[in-house]
Amino acid sequence: EAGVTQSPTHLIKTRGQQATLRCSPISGHTSVYWYQQALGLGLQFLLWYDEGEERNRGNFPPRFSGRQFPNYSSELNVNALELEDSALYLCASSLTGRYGYTFGSGTRLTVV
Amino acid sequence: SQQGEEDPQALSIQEGENATMNCSYKTSINNLQWYRQNSGRGLVHLILIRSNEREKHSGRLRVTLDTSKKSSSLLITASRAADTASYFCATDASDYGGATNKLIFGTGTLLAVQP
Repeated sequence: EAGVTQSPTHLIKTRGQQATLRCSPISGHTSVYWYQQALGLGLQFLLWYDEGEERNRGNFPPRFSGRQFPNYSSELNVNALELEDSALYLCASSLTGRYGYTFGSGTRLTVV
Repeated sequence: SQQGEEDPQALSIQEGENATMNCSYKTSINNLQWYRQNSGRGLVHLILIRSNEREKHSGRLRVTLDTSKKSSSLLITASRAADTASYFCATDASDYGGATNKLIFGTGTLLAVQP
């Protein structure tokens, strides 16, 4: 069974540009979660999608947005990139939060 | 915001020794989970303990939960060099049927096991 896959692995963008990160959950998982792991800051919850709807979002500005497609894959968009957006972005999927999340390997975004 | 705080921040031990990491949290939870992260890669789910459980084992891992003290510990017995990684606790305070449903991660413990 394929795990959670994220693309691209690495992304380098210039300040002010937009970045799009993609995530494919484990087959059968309907929930997708996005986390930001900036250096020295631990994992910060970004967004939760379930059944195509945004169910919850963390304390991030509106320029962080995303969507979930009918096949449950998800996209995270970051507009007007700032230097402090440089981080590892992790996607996870689950059936429900009770049984643990399966994480992808992440996309490392570097803003220069 | 961080829910869990791990202690210690970093731990260095010799192969064969036991490693103990602690996690404290702030709010009521449904379950607490431990994850491992190798060098900036994705997280791997290790073990989940429900709020009505006090202790759980999985191979060389032993997790305890004290809901009265809002704390948990992860014990890795007979450590190996391959156990070197960051370990995170995560609390699930989901309001099933409600608006939450997210894991909140602690700050992590960096474990180094010297061969």
